[in-house]
Amino acid sequence: IQLTQSPSSLSASVGDRVTITCRASQGINTYLAWYQQKPGKAPKLLIFGASTLQRGVPSRFRGGGSGTDFILTISSLQPEDFATYFCLQLNSYPLAFGGGTKVDIK
Amino acid sequence: EVQLVESGGALVRPGGSLRLSCAASGFTFSSTYMTWVRQAPGKGLEWVASIHTGGSTNYEDSVRGRFTVSRDDSENMLYLQMNSLRVDDTALYYCARGGAWPSALIDYWGQGTLVTVSS
Repeated sequence: IQLTQSPSSLSASVGDRVTITCRASQGINTYLAWYQQKPGKAPKLLIFGASTLQRGVPSRFRGGGSGTDFILTISSLQPEDFATYFCLQLNSYPLAFGGGTKVDIK
Repeated sequence: EVQLVESGGALVRPGGSLRLSCAASGFTFSSTYMTWVRQAPGKGLEWVASIHTGGSTNYEDSVRGRFTVSRDDSENMLYLQMNSLRVDDTALYYCARGGAWPSALIDYWGQGTLVTVSS
């Protein structure tokens, strides 16, 4: 299973709504997670089961989708949200990550 | 508090071997799938291997036959034995809690240990 994540990068301003998509090459039910990674840090889980918010993650992060098409939305971008985001399919081995989306300041 | 602490990364020559360790605490290790993920400098994340409770293992194609993942549930330790190392194995190696379905969740990560393969 391959994951195609888009866009690979985007520039946005504080307060903007940001949308990142992840498409699987075959159906993966809702076994998809989203992670945020900042430079020099380990990835941080944001969303699992395609739409379940990890404890402690702000509600401005929202995940959706099932089957092959998934979406991560940040409703109002905050300064601490500038980072790289990855999706990960956990339906079956081999696990696969999306290529990442770097969100930087416009 | 869940903690994962990797160690064992080093500079090694092509063809060499290295054993990574991951010390786990703050959860019931023996009941948990575990995974190794790597990240080459400036690149994205790549799954390497997973081990389930009971010891069944899965590997990414490029490491199968060269890497071996194992666990010591009595010591709450995860290991990655890496043999026949290649330049393209150079990466930061993360230990992570979880794996594929039926777990279908990877939630905590260590800070990583750096493996550099170079002559």
